[in-house]
Amino acid sequence: DTEVTQTPKHLVMGMTNKKSLKCEQHMGHRAMYWYKQKAKKPPELMFVYSYEKLSINESVPSRFSPECPNSSLLNLHLHALQPEDSALYLCASSQGGQETQYFGPGTRLLVL
Amino acid sequence: AQSVTQLGSHVSVSEGALVLLRCNYSSSVPPYLFWYVQYPNQGLQLLLKYTSAATLVKGINGFEAEFKKSETSFHLTKPSAHMSDAAEYFCAVSLGGGKLIFGQGTELSVKP
Repeated sequence: DTEVTQTPKHLVMGMTNKKSLKCEQHMGHRAMYWYKQKAKKPPELMFVYSYEKLSINESVPSRFSPECPNSSLLNLHLHALQPEDSALYLCASSQGGQETQYFGPGTRLLVL
Repeated sequence: AQSVTQLGSHVSVSEGALVLLRCNYSSSVPPYLFWYVQYPNQGLQLLLKYTSAATLVKGINGFEAEFKKSETSFHLTKPSAHMSDAAEYFCAVSLGGGKLIFGQGTELSVKP
């Protein structure tokens, strides 16, 4: 099973709202990732968790706050977002290192 | 620095024709290379990967890619295009530590 699940599929939020994106994998992977993808562009790495610890933060604004409660779950907390943050947010997981990353279906976020 | 270049942001082929999507990489170490496909409003799905075993890699849906070190290329091919192959295709190189460097993507259109 190479499935990564993400909820919700779609999210509309105002600039003053607080919301969270959720990601789950049951492949026993030790690394999990958040990516942001704008239309017609490749995914951009935001955060990497390795063994439930944040190992990479690609200078993401603090209005995005990741959390890894356990080895299977990854959250992305959103607060005071801007319209330019509207994008597809993808979660992925892997065994780490250079191993294959498996992607979830994404959450389509619209910030009004 | 490692990088990936996909030649052609858009490729159009007729159904039944050969599909050739080009990818060149630069890497100071033996690379791990990947091809992903993304259908509209979906996440990325792994097509195939190269990890320094066989230079000709077979993937899902009839796709294959050949690693050519002398040309620093990893082009994706399929002998006969199907309408269902219409999608965005991304070539990527793994840097290790969880970082994937993506090419800019190639949109494949298939004409009936």
